[in-house]
Amino acid sequence: EPEVTQTPSHQVTQMGQEVILRCVPISNHLYFYWYRQILGQKVEFLVSFYNNEISEKSEIFDDQFSVERPDGSNFTLKIRSTKLEDSAMYFCASRGLAGVRTDTQYFGPGTRLTVL
Amino acid sequence: AQTVTQSQPEMSVQEAETVTLSCTYDTSESDYYLFWYKQPPSRQMILVIRQEAYKQQNATENRFSVNFQKAAKSFSLKISDSQLGDAAMYFCAYRNYGGATNKLIFGTGTLLAVQP
Repeated sequence: EPEVTQTPSHQVTQMGQEVILRCVPISNHLYFYWYRQILGQKVEFLVSFYNNEISEKSEIFDDQFSVERPDGSNFTLKIRSTKLEDSAMYFCASRGLAGVRTDTQYFGPGTRLTVL
Repeated sequence: AQTVTQSQPEMSVQEAETVTLSCTYDTSESDYYLFWYKQPPSRQMILVIRQEAYKQQNATENRFSVNFQKAAKSFSLKISDSQLGDAAMYFCAYRNYGGATNKLIFGTGTLLAVQP
């Protein structure tokens, strides 16, 4: 069964550094998402992306964050200057447009980001 | 704005027994989707079951079933014949039907322990 993949599984960075989290959504999916989960807290929506543009973003998704689909398969989240409070698990998800179960978002395994 | 509430931070069940996890939500929409996701210690988000609000019939997936009460805005998850592998954090989630606002809104989660 197709699945969403994410790399790296764990990223450690210094405060102020830029990080890029990578995701490969399910191949025929057209909606892409990033969510964040700070340890011990609930999963929070960051941004959704469709047709090569952001369709919605949360208040968390400020100017330090950006997303890109640089080619036909990858979907990236960039944090320009990381802060300690950016330490969290970041989940990528994708959803199809047509076909079976298009209402369901399928999640990747997550990238654990640790900012020191 | 839509909200999702899970009032049980932790639950415990004996192996082979049945347990019910509660979820309530608030929305002014008439069409929407509801989901239960499971998050084991690996922290991957795994879809357990989904329900379309327009369907009166409760969804069932093997040992997992829901009790969807639209008027009461309640969406509980029943796990029958509990297994050790069911131990995980369970998140209830809501999504509007259609449009650009298709983000998932999560509850705070219920940590389920399964006792042998």
